[in-house]
Amino acid sequence: EAQVTQNPRYLITVTGKKLTVTCSQNMNHEYMSWYRQDPGLGLRQIYYSMNVEVTDKGDVPEGYKVSRKEKRNFPLILESPSPNQTSLYFCASSSAYRGNTIYFGEGSWLTVV
Amino acid sequence: ELKVEQNPLFLSMQEGKNYTIYCNYSTTSDRLYWYRQDPGKSLESLFVLLSNGAVKQEGRLMASLDTKARLSTLHITAAVHDLSATYFCAVDRGGADGLTFGKGTHLIIQP
Repeated sequence: EAQVTQNPRYLITVTGKKLTVTCSQNMNHEYMSWYRQDPGLGLRQIYYSMNVEVTDKGDVPEGYKVSRKEKRNFPLILESPSPNQTSLYFCASSSAYRGNTIYFGEGSWLTVV
Repeated sequence: ELKVEQNPLFLSMQEGKNYTIYCNYSTTSDRLYWYRQDPGKSLESLFVLLSNGAVKQEGRLMASLDTKARLSTLHITAAVHDLSATYFCAVDRGGADGLTFGKGTHLIIQP
């Protein structure tokens, strides 16, 4: 079954404590990306990756880092989380062919206090 | 910068009625996606529209794309309660940049 798996699904953390949200896909997709969803704002892209070792900033990259060491994994790193990073985060993946379905993970609810 | 506007943002309608959600975008693109999101859930892909004039239908939902007008519509026919959800359109920015999403249309269908 095609899956994009995120962990953790729910997390409450404190300001400044580094955390990583993992994302893994089993479809051998080249493209992966991270979005955050905030009420009234829709989804906004944080970072994206075209393939292994190729990453680039999206619309709201400040305060986030990513890496793509393996094709299947695309972790999102918050080095020093702040309360304004409290949000619902989605990882997504798709094949290199533009126009193919983009698959989203189940989402990770992150609260920074 | 690509901007995507959905209208309306909130819609309450009765079962059995027809309605249309509009998605306007500001720069050229020939790929547009529609997603459904239930509360607390992930995004479910509904339609991928790949060219001007594309029309796709699934059950009571039909989506169309007019790239010249930079407009996509999601039409709901004879709405049923199960279609209550938030619907997002998302426009492909080209290259590997990913999607720009509208703010979503929160749809409530009342019996």
